Amino acid sequence: DAMVIQNPRYQVTQFGKPVTLSCSQTLNHNVMYWYQQKSSQAPKLLFHYYDKDFNNEADTPDNFQSRRPNTSFCFLDIRSPGLGDAAMYLCATSRVFRDDEKLFFGSGTQLSVL
Amino acid sequence: KQEVTQIPAALSVPEGENLVLNCSFTDSAIYNLQWFRQDPGKGLTSLLLIQSSQREQTSGRLNASLDKSSGRSTLYIAASQPGDSATYLCAVKTGANNLFFGTGTRLTVIP
Repeated sequence: DAMVIQNPRYQVTQFGKPVTLSCSQTLNHNVMYWYQQKSSQAPKLLFHYYDKDFNNEADTPDNFQSRRPNTSFCFLDIRSPGLGDAAMYLCATSRVFRDDEKLFFGSGTQLSVL
Repeated sequence: KQEVTQIPAALSVPEGENLVLNCSFTDSAIYNLQWFRQDPGKGLTSLLLIQSSQREQTSGRLNASLDKSSGRSTLYIAASQPGDSATYLCAVKTGANNLFFGTGTRLTVIP
């Protein structure tokens, strides 16, 4: 059974049209992460939540925002998508920050920008 | 800044062979190293996690080693199977609770 669920699986949006990607988890984990992975590149952390505490990576563009209304759900909002934002967006969770904690990833949302 | 490199970028082996995937990182101040598997167009599945104080971890046909001082890790896959075909990524965790990923090695096991 899927424990980290991302919707939709594929998302197409137009240049400049706001888009929201969704992630939910059944693990009751404290930490939720959003990663961006462009084709043939390594996943890159955009931001994470520890409970309700939001942590933005220094080089994450202002165009990217996130919301976590409760433990189970986390959203990635792209306010004005550009062509360079086309990528796979991966949501991940971990129970806490510990050296022996694994990350659990969803299947990702493949975003296309036309 | 931490940089993670995986060589080779792609590898093809006949079924049944043992193989080794390599991962190197530039900053040895890590908390752990994880190996992930990624199937085409899919998310990542955690395979093994080695804490900084450990030297290796094993799960089934997989064995991962860590030499923190030299900034290297290997993933050994025994008796490879076509179902092992995927991209394998390594990632190191730093103090900022970030995982720095390599770009992966794309493995093809030929029946």
